[in-house]
Amino acid sequence: EAGVTQFPSHSVIEKGQTVTLRCDPISGHDNLYWYRRVMGKEIKFLLHFVKESKQDESGMPNNRFLAERTGGTYSTLKVQPAELEDSGVYFCASSQVVLQPSPRTGELFFGEGSRLTVL
Amino acid sequence: EDQVTQSPEALRLQEGESSSLNCSYTVSGLRGLFWYRQDPGKGPEFLFTLYSAGEEKEKERLKATLTKKESFLHITAPKPEDSATYLCAVQARTGRRALTFGSGTRLQVQP
Repeated sequence: EAGVTQFPSHSVIEKGQTVTLRCDPISGHDNLYWYRRVMGKEIKFLLHFVKESKQDESGMPNNRFLAERTGGTYSTLKVQPAELEDSGVYFCASSQVVLQPSPRTGELFFGEGSRLTVL
Repeated sequence: EDQVTQSPEALRLQEGESSSLNCSYTVSGLRGLFWYRQDPGKGPEFLFTLYSAGEEKEKERLKATLTKKESFLHITAPKPEDSATYLCAVQARTGRRALTFGSGTRLQVQP
């Protein structure tokens, strides 16, 4: 079974440019999350989709960030225009909808991340 | 606001030298506490979920325990392949489903 895949693995852009990151979750996973790790800091939540709906976008830093999830499948995260402080690693994670007590409860499957460098 | 603090930031062990990593947390009602392992250039890999104080989970050389204020990840007789960053995260019982992560402990096990 394919895991969570993210593209690109690394993107280098100049300040003011636009970048779009893509995440393909595990097939059948309705929950999709975006997280970000900036240098020296902990991984922080950005937003959460359930299918195509934004369940929680309280972690989005500002309106330069736009996330979409087409038809409840893959998701994109666009940064426009990019600023220096946007540099970091963007992780996508997916899980099944209901978190019930079970031996596999609560497992978020993470992708390998997309490293964004803004110069 | 939910908070997670991990210590130490970095730990160097000799192969076979057992130790423990600490995760202190504050959360408005704990739904679950999660441990992940992260290798360089990779995403976090799930290890354990703990739900209530007194609970313990084991996997190979790793054992996670939970109290009302902290969790420990005990590593028994570690091997070089256990070298990684270990992340702790909490999920609150109410409100959003997102995880709040700590900064992690970088573990290096020398042969």
